[in-house]
This record gives sequence, C-alpha cells and structure tokens, in this order.
Amino acid sequence: DIQVTQSPSSLSASVGDRVTISCRASQGISNGLSWYQQRPGQVPTLLIYGASILQSGVPSRFSGSGSGTAFTLTIKSLQPDDVATYYCLQDYTTPWTFGQGTKVEI
Amino acid sequence: EVQLVESGGNLVQPGGSLRLSCAATGFTFSSYHMHWVRQAPGTGLEWVSYISGSGRTIYYADSVKGRLTISRDNAKKSLSLQMNSLRDEDTAVYYCAREILLQDSNAFDIWGQGTMVTVSS
Repeated sequence: DIQVTQSPSSLSASVGDRVTISCRASQGISNGLSWYQQRPGQVPTLLIYGASILQSGVPSRFSGSGSGTAFTLTIKSLQPDDVATYYCLQDYTTPWTFGQGTKVEI
Repeated sequence: EVQLVESGGNLVQPGGSLRLSCAATGFTFSSYHMHWVRQAPGTGLEWVSYISGSGRTIYYADSVKGRLTISRDNAKKSLSLQMNSLRDEDTAVYYCAREILLQDSNAFDIWGQGTMVTVSS
C-alpha cells in the first residue's frame, strides 16, 4: 500500500502569511493527489485535484504543486476563513490513503 | 441541488450489526463511482470502501475487509454499507463521497453530512 506522510501536523500563522503544507508519498503517484479542507465541525470539501488544479469556486490564494512523491499545498495569504484541518489524499491507486492532516490556526 | 444524505448511524454493541444508507439527489447516480470514508472522534480521515458506478468493482480497506459490505441500488439512487462484527475501533462519523473524473484526475467532489456510528457496550 502507498503511505502518505503529511507535515506539519499543525501550524499557527498570522493573517496574510504564506502557509505551506507538504505531503510525501511512499512511492510515485504521478499527479494522483487531491487536497481537502475541513473546517471545524464541518464536512470536508475539495480544494485541489490532479495535484495542482484548483476546484471551481475555491479562492485563488490556494494552490497545489508537485508530482511523483512530493506535493505541496500553499495558501498565499492566510485568511481567518482558512482556519481548518487540511488533508491530502492519494487517489492514484487502491487503497486510497489520506495524509494525517494539518491543523491550521491563526 | 447535488446532494448526498447519509442515515442509519446509531449506538451498537461490539459484535453487532448496522446498515448505513446514502441517498443521492441532483445527479445521475449510476454514472459515478462512490466511496465511504470515516473519521473517528478527534482524528483524521480514513478511506473505507469503493464501489464502481455499475457496482461490479468493489474495494475495501484492510481494516474492514470481511466485516463491511458496500452495495448500491442505482434505480433507487442509493448507496449502502452493511456493517457486521462491529468493533470499538469502528466508532466514527461515516461519510459517503462521490468520485469525479476531472481532467484525467480523480477526486471526491461531493460529500454527505455524515452519520455517527458508536460501538460500545
């Protein structure tokens, strides 16, 4: 099975800061990675798919990059609305595997 | 409106059974592969099971294989998860999620609100 290691597990930043979250796959997964945001008490929502493609309706301050084994989610200018836990998901092969999550606080 | 609504969560004793359902509205259900994802209290997301649009291809996480059974009724636009031999560690919110193919990439674009399963004596 492909393991996905996400880091950091949590971070605290200020409004306007640039935030980066990393996911590393235990073997190459091409661009088979998506990112999800889960605000406190809410359902996960899709942010990025295909490693770098922004889902419709998601603010442009979010971006994704990477391929193979190393991936990054970047929030260009952190906003109060971005307080959430972020998860990566490798959807390249079964079994699908989520990263452990990164809790973002302000 | 495109929507998924889960039901069936409850308190059940270890070793017991439960059946979860997920009702789909607003889209052609049979055209989409579907998944169950769970989240134990205070922890992260865990993929549980997949079923193809036709229902012919099914996958399970090792942690649930042999105990949970996914199925779908495309005529009723419904997804199900039959849960047998439940364990304490199955306690979680269970989400159904739609898989979509976007620009040759897969993603879970629609999620239900979740249904809580508590396994406890």
